[in-house]
Amino acid sequence: KQEVTQIPAALSVPEGENLVLNCSFTDSAIYNLQWFRQDPGKGLTSLLLIQSSQREQTSGRLNASLDKSSGRSTLYIAASQPGDSATYLCAVSAYKYIFGTGTRLKVLA
Amino acid sequence: EAGVVQSPRYKIIEKKQPVAFWCNPISGHNTLYWYLQNLGQGPELLIRYENEEAVDDSQLPKDRFSAERLKGVDSTLKIQPAELGDSAVYLCASSFLPGGTDTQYFGPGTRLTVL
Repeated sequence: KQEVTQIPAALSVPEGENLVLNCSFTDSAIYNLQWFRQDPGKGLTSLLLIQSSQREQTSGRLNASLDKSSGRSTLYIAASQPGDSATYLCAVSAYKYIFGTGTRLKVLA
Repeated sequence: EAGVVQSPRYKIIEKKQPVAFWCNPISGHNTLYWYLQNLGQGPELLIRYENEEAVDDSQLPKDRFSAERLKGVDSTLKIQPAELGDSAVYLCASSFLPGGTDTQYFGPGTRLTVL
C-alpha cells in the first residue's frame, strides 16, 4: 500500500530565505508526482507535475525534483515571500492520487 | 475558462439528516474525482469517474454514501444519513486524461458540519 510522508509538518522562515520541502513515498511504481498548494478554506492549486520519466520541473521560483528509485521528491522555493504562506501537499499517482499530510509554511515579513 | 464549480460552499446539518453536494467539472474533462479532507490531513479519494462510469469506488462507504454522474458531466455526492464523523471538507476535482495520469484541478470544496 502506497504511503506518502511529508517532512516537516510545519515551517516558519523569514522572507527572502530559500527553502526545501520534502516528500517521500513507499512504492516507486508511480505515473507521476504532483505538488499542490492549499490556502486556508480553499481547494488545492496545482503547482508542478513531474512525470515518472522526468527528474525535475521548474516554474518561476519553484523547482521540484523526483528520485523514483529512492522514493523522494523535493520542492525548492527560492526567495520566499509572505504570499507563499500556505500548506503544500505532494501526491503520487498510480491509477489514483495518494496525498501526503502536507507542510504548513509561514513566511514572515 | 471556468474552474471546477462546487455547491454549496458550506453546509450545517443535524446528524441523521441527508445532504447532497454538487460538482461541475472543467469543460471537456472526462475524469471526475470526489475527495474527503479532514482537518490537517491530505485529501482521500472517495470515488473516481471516467465519463459516467465509476471506475474506483473502493473507498466510498456504500452503506451511507452514494454518487452519480448520469450524463458524464456534473456529479452529485450524497450522504444519508449523516453522522458526526462525516464533518469534513468534500472536494471535487477533474482532469482531462484518465487514471491519475494528468494534472488534477480542484474546486473550492464544501465544508460539512454535522451537529
